[in-house]
Amino acid sequence: LAKTTQPISMDSYEGQEVNITCSHNNIATNDYITWYQQFPSQGPRFIIQGYKTKVTNEVASLFIPADRKSSTLSLPRVSLSDTAVYYCLVGAHNAGNMLTFGGGTRLMVKP
Amino acid sequence: DAGITQSPRYKITETGRQVTLMCHQTWSHSYMFWYRQDLGHGLRLIYYSAAADITDKGEVPDGYVVSRSKTENFPLTLESATRSQTSVYFCASSDTSGWDEQFFGPGTRLTVL
Repeated sequence: LAKTTQPISMDSYEGQEVNITCSHNNIATNDYITWYQQFPSQGPRFIIQGYKTKVTNEVASLFIPADRKSSTLSLPRVSLSDTAVYYCLVGAHNAGNMLTFGGGTRLMVKP
Repeated sequence: DAGITQSPRYKITETGRQVTLMCHQTWSHSYMFWYRQDLGHGLRLIYYSAAADITDKGEVPDGYVVSRSKTENFPLTLESATRSQTSVYFCASSDTSGWDEQFFGPGTRLTVL
């Protein structure tokens, strides 16, 4: 499974756009990029998944450059309720079903 | 109620005791997973199951036993609890594979004294 590197923590303010970048230099051809969000005392929640270029849903956007060695999760106009840990995961749908959660990025949104 | 539930939500036990954590999902998802999350860390996969009667080890399986006689249930048993197994345990399920969207339960906070 591809190793991922993401910032340990980030601070932002309400109403700002937040971009969290994840590095995955050894991503394989069949790998997808998936982001989960975890609030305190809750289980993680799937946010978005993509393979290349840009994916957008009602919660976030995921930008993946052509070389796919990194990806950026973009959260538009964050609110206090977006304070959470965000995990970047990389792997293939046939990768033995082993999700590997790293330490994630702890996002703190301030008023 | 539809979804994925875990019981108990909180459990305190003593070293050496057997503990079973329950997980139930109502979607008929094929895949189910057990993770543990230690304070301030990410999740680590303990065991997973691709279907009823099919289970496989994850990253940290030692000290744990699982079974899956029915699609909707995936109990996790600590046969002889140790203090190092104090953690928050999350159960999850997904429809077709581990890399499709996983739906997580609310977690069980286990303390082993």
